[in-house]
Amino acid sequence: ELKVEQNPLFLSMQEGKNYTIYCNYSTTSDRLYWYRQDPGKSLESLFVLLSNGAVKQEGRLMASLDTKARLSTLHITAAVHDLSATYFCAVDAEGGSNYKLTFGKGTLLTVNP
Amino acid sequence: NAGVTQTPKFRVLKTGQSMTLLCAQDMNHEYMYWYRQDPGMGLRLIHYSVGEGTTAKGEVPDGYNVSRLKKQNFLLGLESAAPSQTSVYFCASRNSYEQYFGPGTRLTVT
Repeated sequence: ELKVEQNPLFLSMQEGKNYTIYCNYSTTSDRLYWYRQDPGKSLESLFVLLSNGAVKQEGRLMASLDTKARLSTLHITAAVHDLSATYFCAVDAEGGSNYKLTFGKGTLLTVNP
Repeated sequence: NAGVTQTPKFRVLKTGQSMTLLCAQDMNHEYMYWYRQDPGMGLRLIHYSVGEGTTAKGEVPDGYNVSRLKKQNFLLGLESAAPSQTSVYFCASRNSYEQYFGPGTRLTVT
């Protein structure tokens, strides 16, 4: 059974600071996704990482994937209040064309002025 | 394109009542999913479908049934609602690259 662990689960940071959210998973997979969820809203896709060494950046967020270490990171640079949200990573449980995401429990990020 | 839509957005049920949640997508996706989201638990897969006429169990299928009679629709049924089914339900559909979520249905069972 695939397990996906995020840490930290809660993150309170000051504006302007940098931090990293970690996503570890338990079985081989080369497809990993990051989503953002605002309170009371649905999930919004941030990044799709499809190969070892993949790195993607959008604004102050950068995601990377190391399939050998079974680890993805979401790095936040110079945080701003608008980044406050819950961030989820998700991993495709099976290979080939059988797509089925397993989610981490989410990281609640609060950015304080 | 409307993307993924869900009906209803909110519902309150009494224990033992039944209801059906409707998910529709207009992206011609083969794959569709039903998740539930509970505080501190992330999203857990209830049932999914890999194409019209197919369904399969996910991580937490007990107490739910699904049907996929048309490619664009995926229905989630609760035959006899229980308070433990109070949750936010998300439908999703996907292509080979990305998964898209509906706006969610907030269900309360009293």
